[in-house]
Amino acid sequence: QKEVEQDPGPLSVPEGAIVSLNCTYSNSAFQYFMWYRQYSRKGPELLMYTYSSGNKEDGRFTAQVDKSSKYISLFIRDSQPSDSATYLCAMSAFRGTSYDKVIFGPGTSLSVIP
Amino acid sequence: DAGVTQSPTHLIKTRGQHVTLRCSPISGHKSVSWYQQVLGQGPQFIFQYYEKEERGRGNFPDRFSARQFPNYSSELNVNALLLGDSALYLCASSLGEVGGTDTQYFGPGTRLTVL
Repeated sequence: QKEVEQDPGPLSVPEGAIVSLNCTYSNSAFQYFMWYRQYSRKGPELLMYTYSSGNKEDGRFTAQVDKSSKYISLFIRDSQPSDSATYLCAMSAFRGTSYDKVIFGPGTSLSVIP
Repeated sequence: DAGVTQSPTHLIKTRGQHVTLRCSPISGHKSVSWYQQVLGQGPQFIFQYYEKEERGRGNFPDRFSARQFPNYSSELNVNALLLGDSALYLCASSLGEVGGTDTQYFGPGTRLTVL
């Protein structure tokens, strides 16, 4: 079993739809959770990060973490064609004095159709 | 301000050859990490350097090595290239030690093709 699993898609939605992207993980030590967006032929860029369980909102984006279920989500409201990209979840475990290396999921490809 | 820069952009090598990839972090950033991203997969951690010292190593063979220079730029070296080394190699920089809560900024990557 991989440490972080993510539905690869591709996911295709009409403009204005609400998008739900999800990841599951197996390591209960993960405490720092991130979502990255990667456009074609570009490096990943950090969208949001959050610690432990709960919700965090930033504009049209909401990150949700459920540690009891080992499940994280990213919601995109009012999706736009410019949101078309691959979305990567990533997480890290705390190792005493600092966080361990970042583990990425395989990514979900999203297309928002005008 | 310039972001993370990587060179070259693309590279084609044959099996058994050696390759050197270069990365310049954002000015003021002291940490550089290297990742390998195979097509259709997420980035996999290879190395992290902070203040010119290796601070983390992923599950990669000894054919992979790296170093960080006094100006905080970094090189990733891969010896005895295999077909499976074909991937996008990403460099990320951050202010502090990676794995921490400092944001990592990724470069555009070097696309390596091994024939």
